[in-house]
Amino acid sequence: DAGVTQSPTHLIKTRGQQVTLRCSPKSGHDTVSWYQQALGQGPQFIFQYYEEEERQRGNFPDRFSGHQFPNYSSELNVNALLLGDSALYLCASSLYHFSNQPQHFGDGTRLSIL
Amino acid sequence: AQSVSQHNHHVILSEAASLELGCNYSYGGTVNLFWYVQYPGQHLQLLLKYFSGDPLVKGIKGFEAEFIKSKFSFNLRKPSVQWSDTAEYFCAVMYSSASKIIFGSGTRLSIRP
Repeated sequence: DAGVTQSPTHLIKTRGQQVTLRCSPKSGHDTVSWYQQALGQGPQFIFQYYEEEERQRGNFPDRFSGHQFPNYSSELNVNALLLGDSALYLCASSLYHFSNQPQHFGDGTRLSIL
Repeated sequence: AQSVSQHNHHVILSEAASLELGCNYSYGGTVNLFWYVQYPGQHLQLLLKYFSGDPLVKGIKGFEAEFIKSKFSFNLRKPSVQWSDTAEYFCAVMYSSASKIIFGSGTRLSIRP
């Protein structure tokens, strides 16, 4: 039973570029949430997708956008990259209608902006 | 605003010492509470969770946490730590009004062999 998988594991970009990160949820899960974890900080909620729609959003600018596909996998897109976007990006999956079940996290994608 | 506070950024203990990591959250109605652990080079793993019922929750690896509603606290405890408990520990809250999880800033635990 595969857990949450994310790709790539590490990415290096320069300021102004655009990046796409990918996530496949744990088998049986239908909801994907994205978090940004800056060095020395706890994860910060970016947004959540269910039924291919953004359901909730944290305090992140419109440069951060996402998508969910019919197979429940998801992408996180960041445009016009800033140095401050350097962080570990975590994907978590869950079941939308079972909020008493915890989210399962992937290993993350480490994004470095030069 | 909904928030979670972890009081200790870095805790250093000797093996067999007792552990208590503090966590407080801001009021926001009904909450679900979690402790996650992140071992070096590994992904976030759930240690334990509280949704309802007995406020003393037992998790994996001998950890437990107590939900004290009047104090808005959910402190993590372990009677005797081991070197393998070296990790980053995150307290997290899910308010019933939303399904997003709000994390604390984490506590780094270092165990001296």
